[in-house]
Amino acid sequence: GQSLEQPSEVTAVEGAIVQINCTYQTSGFYGLSWYQQHDGGAPTFLSYNALDGLEETGRFSSFLSRSDSYGYLLLQELQMKDSASYFCAVNPLDSNYQLIWGAGTKLIIKP
Amino acid sequence: EAGVTQSPTHLIKTRGQQATLRCSPISGHTSVYWYQQALGLGLQFLLWYDEGEERNRGNFPPRFSGRQFPNYSSELNVNALELEDSALYLCASRGVSPTGATFLLFGSGTRLTVV
Repeated sequence: GQSLEQPSEVTAVEGAIVQINCTYQTSGFYGLSWYQQHDGGAPTFLSYNALDGLEETGRFSSFLSRSDSYGYLLLQELQMKDSASYFCAVNPLDSNYQLIWGAGTKLIIKP
Repeated sequence: EAGVTQSPTHLIKTRGQQATLRCSPISGHTSVYWYQQALGLGLQFLLWYDEGEERNRGNFPPRFSGRQFPNYSSELNVNALELEDSALYLCASRGVSPTGATFLLFGSGTRLTVV
C-alpha cells in the first residue's frame, strides 16, 4: 500500500526555525504537496515539489528526495499564527489528483 | 472569483438517518473532489466528479454516494448514518499556483456529527 508518515506533534519557539518531516512508501507519484490547516478550518495549499530539491516560498520552503523517500517542510521566522497542523500529500501516478495524505503534524509555537 | 462553497457548515443527525452535503466549485471548474477528515486524522479521498460523471471513488461503502449537477455543483449523500461517520467533509476544486503547481482548493467544510 501507499502511506506517508509524519511526526504527530512538533514544538518550537517564536522566531525560530522548524522542520517537519514526511517519509513515504509509494509506488510512484507526480509530486509531494504540503498543506496547512488551522483548527476548525480547511486545508490550504503551501508548497509543491515535483522534482528533487528545495522550493522556497517566502518563509516556507519544501524539500524532496525521491531516492530517500523523504521530504520536509521548513518554516522560518516562526510566528504565532503558524500554529496549525501541517499535512504532506502525494498525487499517485495512477490517480487524477486523488491525493494520499499523511496524518498531519500539529505545530505548537511557544512565545 | 468566488471560492469553493459548502453548506451547511454544521449538521447534526441521528444514527440511521441520511445526510446531504452540498458543494459549489470555483466558477467554471468542472471537477469536484470530496474528502472525509475524521477528528485528528488526515484526509481520506471519497469521490471525484468531473463533467457530471463519477470518475472515481475511494475505499468507502456504497452508502456514501453523490452526484454532480449540470452547473458542476455537487451533492454528497450519506445513508444509514453511523457514529463513525462523524467527521469534517471537505469539497475541493483544482487550482494552479503561480509556479504552475496543481493543488486542491478546499471549501470550509461541513462538520457532520452523528449522535
